[in-house]
Amino acid sequence: GESVGLHLPTLSVQEGDNSIINCAYSNSASDYFIWYKQESGKGPQFIIDIRSNMDKRQGQRVTVLLNKTVKHLSLQIAATQPGDSAVYFCAERFPYGGATNKLIFGTGTLLAVQP
Amino acid sequence: EADIYQTPRYLVIGTGKKITLECSQTMGHDKMYWYQQDPGMELHLIHYSYGVNSTEKGDLSSESTVSRIRTEHFPLTLESARPSHTSQYLCASSVSGGHYGYTFGSGTRLTVV
Repeated sequence: GESVGLHLPTLSVQEGDNSIINCAYSNSASDYFIWYKQESGKGPQFIIDIRSNMDKRQGQRVTVLLNKTVKHLSLQIAATQPGDSAVYFCAERFPYGGATNKLIFGTGTLLAVQP
Repeated sequence: EADIYQTPRYLVIGTGKKITLECSQTMGHDKMYWYQQDPGMELHLIHYSYGVNSTEKGDLSSESTVSRIRTEHFPLTLESARPSHTSQYLCASSVSGGHYGYTFGSGTRLTVV
């Protein structure tokens, strides 16, 4: 079936550097995308979202970019900090129709921040 | 602050036992979900509910069952636990319309010995 996948399972960066986590999605009809952060022993936490009618959205130290042409989503974290170390998941919403709202999650990327 | 709660956080249980994992949310969300997640792996949807008395099986086959008698409560039950059920179970909820994101609980780490 349709799925979301990540290019890199592990990303190691130096503290203070910028991080870029990539995600490829396969369903061109998906209309909404979310990035989640999951710290060890916790449930995923919402970071930032973007609708398909946008190319870029910025939050605090995070930016999500959407390239619908190549079905690619990325999460940029500025000035990466040790507290950013976690597994990051992208998710897409495929509009099945009606009131359905299921998100499709990809395999996570582990971000390891080196001091 | 509204939130979603899962209990217990950790559970070690013997094979053949019946267990119920609890999930409650105080946000009035109509939709609730159960995911199974192995360490460092993707989330697999095993059950979901779009409202009271509505439950559906997810994408990953599971021997567990769920019920939704009240909006805020979505428990998951395993009638006879097996070592293959060892995993992390995450509960989530969302609201119809507008923001499509899920709010997740902290999870229950289940170990069946």
